[in-house]
Amino acid sequence: DSGVTQTPKHLITATGQRVTLRCSPRSGDLSVYWYQQSLDQGLQFLIQYYNGEERAKGNILERFSAQQFPDLHSELNLSSLELGDSALYFCASSVGQLVYNEQFFGPGTRLTVL
Amino acid sequence: QKEVEQDPGPLSVPEGAIVSLNCTYSNSAFQYFMWYRQYSRKGPELLMYTYSSGNKEDGRFTAQVDKSSKYISLFIRDSQPSDSATYLCAMTPRDYGQNFVFGPGTRLSVLP
Repeated sequence: DSGVTQTPKHLITATGQRVTLRCSPRSGDLSVYWYQQSLDQGLQFLIQYYNGEERAKGNILERFSAQQFPDLHSELNLSSLELGDSALYFCASSVGQLVYNEQFFGPGTRLTVL
Repeated sequence: QKEVEQDPGPLSVPEGAIVSLNCTYSNSAFQYFMWYRQYSRKGPELLMYTYSSGNKEDGRFTAQVDKSSKYISLFIRDSQPSDSATYLCAMTPRDYGQNFVFGPGTRLSVLP
C-alpha cells in the first residue's frame, strides 16, 4: 500500500459525459501527478501540481482539467468523454517537486466510456 | 517513430538468470532516467533513478545510461519469480517542471 488513495476504483459512463477522479496524496507529500495508462498509448504523464500550483503539463487534453486543493487532495476532471478516454488513471504523490523525489502511485481509477 | 522505444516482450527467463531490459530514445535533451516496475493491476513503483550517463547499482539491480547511443539498460541479477512484472523506462529533460516520457514497457516472466 503506497499511502496514496484514489476514488472511485471503477467508473463506467457514456460518451459526452463528465467525470471527476479524486486523489489523496500520502501524508506530508506536496506534489501530485496525474497519469493515463491505456493499451495503445502506454503510460502518459498528464499534469503535476505542487502545493496547490500547477508545475508541469504533459499530454493533457483541453477537455481535461485538474486542480489541487488547500488540503492537498487533487481532482482530475474529464469532460465531453470519448471512447478513447477509456483507460486507467493513476495519481502519484511525492514529498517535493524535483525529479529525484520518489513518486508513489495510487491503485488507479479504471474509466470505461461506453 | 516513438520518442522512447522498448521491446514489449514478453520475456521469459528461468529463475536465477540475469535479465537485461533496454530502452532507446530519440530526444538528446533527456538527462534524467528512471526504471519502474508495475505488477498486474497495480500502480508503477520506482526501482532506479539515474542522472546523465553512467552506472548505478542497488542490490540485484543495475541501471546503465549511455547518452551517446541514446540507450539505457536495467540488469536484474539472480532473477526471482517475484520479479515477474512489466518494466517501464521513463525519462525527462529537466529536474524541475519535468515532463516525463515513458516507454511502452517490457513484460517479464521469471519461471521457477
